[in-house]
Amino acid sequence: RKEVEQDPGPFNVPEGATVAFNCTYSNSASQSFFWYRQDCRKEPKLLMSVYSSGNEDGRFTAQLNRASQYISLLIRDSKLSDSATYLCAVNIRGGYQKVTFGTGTKLQVIP
Amino acid sequence: GAVVSQHPSRVICKSGTSVKIECRSLDFQATTMFWYRQFPKQSLMLMATSNEGSKATYEQGVEKDKFLINHASLTLSTLTVTSAHPEDSSFYICSARPMTSGSSYNEQFFGPGTRLTVL
Repeated sequence: RKEVEQDPGPFNVPEGATVAFNCTYSNSASQSFFWYRQDCRKEPKLLMSVYSSGNEDGRFTAQLNRASQYISLLIRDSKLSDSATYLCAVNIRGGYQKVTFGTGTKLQVIP
Repeated sequence: GAVVSQHPSRVICKSGTSVKIECRSLDFQATTMFWYRQFPKQSLMLMATSNEGSKATYEQGVEKDKFLINHASLTLSTLTVTSAHPEDSSFYICSARPMTSGSSYNEQFFGPGTRLTVL
């Protein structure tokens, strides 16, 4: 089983729709969780950290479910500019605290 | 915000030559920098963790003698791909973790990446 798994998509949604992605992780010792956005042929950019209590930033809501070992990202009122690949990332505390990335979920928002 | 630069952004070289890629944190200090590689339509794969003043920690399957890492200062890490071959062609991305992020929220900030093509 992969350490971090995501549905690769693509998710094709109309403008204005709400879309949700899930990401599962295998290591129960995982401590920190992130969502990154990556545009084609560009570097990943941090979208938001995921806090235990869940957190919201504008149209984006991130949640963590430790019992089931998954994190989610909800995007409301999708914009064309939201089209990108969304990577989840998981960090296990200790050592050099490396972050493991999922393969990403591709989102295409359609006019 | 935290800015990380990489140089060069794109390099084309002949097989057998060596290529050095620089990663700099511009507005923060980073004791730890990470080097990733991303092949088309695949995820980021961590190659090594670079720590200022000590040897890098390489992931399983990554040859440390081929991918030389030097973390010379708190703002600079370099990756040298030695004796490059066509299969080394990839998108190399570095990231840096600010020293001040001592909490469990260990955000990393990525450089813009270096696209290496080995002919």
